[in-house]
Amino acid sequence: SQKIEQNSEALNIQEGKTATLTCNYTNYSPAYLQWYRQDPGRGPVFLLLIRENEKEKRKERLKVTFDTTLKQSLFHITASQPADSATYLCALDTGGFKTIFGAGTRLFVKA
Amino acid sequence: DAGVIQSPRHEVTEMGQEVTLRCKPISGHDYLFWYRQTMMRGLELLIYFNNNVPIDDSGMPEDRFSAKMPNASFSTLKIQPSEPRDSAVYFCASSLVHLPGTGGMETQYFGPGTRLLVL
Repeated sequence: SQKIEQNSEALNIQEGKTATLTCNYTNYSPAYLQWYRQDPGRGPVFLLLIRENEKEKRKERLKVTFDTTLKQSLFHITASQPADSATYLCALDTGGFKTIFGAGTRLFVKA
Repeated sequence: DAGVIQSPRHEVTEMGQEVTLRCKPISGHDYLFWYRQTMMRGLELLIYFNNNVPIDDSGMPEDRFSAKMPNASFSTLKIQPSEPRDSAVYFCASSLVHLPGTGGMETQYFGPGTRLLVL
């Protein structure tokens, strides 16, 4: 069956360090993959999209990689700040106009 | 633009009652999605519309759930009768860009959600 896995445990890091979140998937060949941020009590907010023919995408302190052979995406936040604390969701295009979301990884950045 | 607007933000009802959730998508967006989020199951797609037409409702859990989109600026998700297991946060999202050549879907803009509690 179709499956997306993200780090199930919360990630705790110190301010200034790089946070790395993982998204693994099986039984898909997505045309693109997206990362969203969700704060408590709010809806997900789009951060980055990377296409299957792209290895890496950057936006300010954010970097996403996409390895279609490993079926894995890594999401990096450099020089992390307490304001980066949130849940981060990866989302896959599954074709047929559908996107499915991973369960998310909670990130805590300590000052 | 005000973004996607959902109402109510919170709803508490008793089992067996009808619940109606409302959504106003971003103006000009031609796709609208309804999701349900719980701790156990995460974010699940229930149904989506394109140009007000329901395209895929395979995620709707039961016949007790129904959704309509009478025009481009309004959609409803109705649960009748409601049950305690329907308690969740329901999100509406809208999207504009249809990724050409792949049939895929680009960025979705989510509303703030409706937190539903069925007692």
